[in-house]
Amino acid sequence: RKEVEQDPGPFNVPEGATVAFNCTYSNSASQSFFWYRQDCRKEPKLLMSVYSSGNEDGRFTAQLNRASQYISLLIRDSKLSDSATYLCVVTVYGGSQGNLIFGKGTKLSVKP
Amino acid sequence: ETGVTQTPRHLVMGMTNKKSLKCEQHLGHNAMYWYKQSAKKPLELMFVYSLEERVENNSVPSRFSPECPNSSHLFLHLHTLQPEDSALYLCASSPGHGGTEAFFGQGTRLTVV
Repeated sequence: RKEVEQDPGPFNVPEGATVAFNCTYSNSASQSFFWYRQDCRKEPKLLMSVYSSGNEDGRFTAQLNRASQYISLLIRDSKLSDSATYLCVVTVYGGSQGNLIFGKGTKLSVKP
Repeated sequence: ETGVTQTPRHLVMGMTNKKSLKCEQHLGHNAMYWYKQSAKKPLELMFVYSLEERVENNSVPSRFSPECPNSSHLFLHLHTLQPEDSALYLCASSPGHGGTEAFFGQGTRLTVV
């Protein structure tokens, strides 16, 4: 089983739509969780950290379910500029000593 | 100016060449990383340096050789690469090693011919 799994998409949505991405992780000892955004041919950039209580940043809401080992990202009122690949990232302790482990990413395309 | 700078941005090299990738961070971070990103694969962690000491080598072939002369600079020396090594090589840094978000450079797109 892959350490971090995401639906690769693509998710094609119209402007203004609400879209949700899911991510599962295999290591129950994972401690920190993030969503990164990667534009085409660019480097990944941190979108938001994910906290146990859930957190919101404008149109973006992240949720963590430790029992199900599941992370989600909700984007409301999608903009054209939201088109990108969204990477789910966890920190795995133990063998990998706190390194960031990336999922393959979910591609989002927002259409006019 | 980005906090993490990589050079060159693009590199084409033959299988018998020797080249080096350079990364510099201006964020005062203590940990630096090399990642490889190939098409349709997740980012693969290659090397981790914490306070200039290598703390992890993820079974990377010896044709890739990292060097960290100080906490602001990281190099990846390349020799006798294979075409399948063609990928985007990303450098990142973080305040400390473990549990904190990483800041990435723009990457070097490497093509081995």
